[in-house]
Amino acid sequence: AQSVTQLDSHVSVSEGTPVLLRCNYSSSYSPSLFWYVQHPNKGLQLLLKYTSAATLVKGINGFEAEFKKSETSFHLTKPSAHMSDAAEYFCVVSWGSARQLTFGSGTQLTVLP
Amino acid sequence: NAGVTQTPKFQVLKTGQSMTLQCAQDMNHNSMYWYRQDPGMGLRLIYYSASEGTTDKGEVPNGYNVSRLNKREFSLRLESAAPSQTSVYFCASRSDADTQYFGPGTRLTVL
Repeated sequence: AQSVTQLDSHVSVSEGTPVLLRCNYSSSYSPSLFWYVQHPNKGLQLLLKYTSAATLVKGINGFEAEFKKSETSFHLTKPSAHMSDAAEYFCVVSWGSARQLTFGSGTQLTVLP
Repeated sequence: NAGVTQTPKFQVLKTGQSMTLQCAQDMNHNSMYWYRQDPGMGLRLIYYSASEGTTDKGEVPNGYNVSRLNKREFSLRLESAAPSQTSVYFCASRSDADTQYFGPGTRLTVL
């Protein structure tokens, strides 16, 4: 089985400042990694995914993530936070023949005015 | 384009009652999944179906059964609900590009 660890359960930033959400993964081979976002009382929306094509992955709404094999990390960043970015973010790994997903425990992002 | 739909959106049950959560997708995906989400945790896989006519257990299958009725529909059944099954349930389907698309969820409370 694969696993992901989200290093911060809560992150607070001011509007207009950079966002960094940290994720480490455990995998015996090159994984497929994802970031999903969940707004309050909503379903999950895919932000971006890594599938070994390029280490720097660009997603929706200005988010991007860099896959670093040497550090087993897949951190999510955004240069400038917007109030609408306030949500819970999940780092996710896909594995196995059924491509089931294993989720991290989530990072709650608060954006302060 | 509806994507993944789930019914009902909300449900309250008494301990011991049964119910079926419905899920349908219109994206012609082969694989479908059921997850539960509890407070402070990510989603955990209950059951999945890699193709029509096949189902397999995930991480937390106890107390649940599933049926892959056809390629579009994948239902989750609670035969005898327990308070520990109070949760938000998400259905998903997976594209050939290895991306899972989620439904809006069903919020279930078992009293």
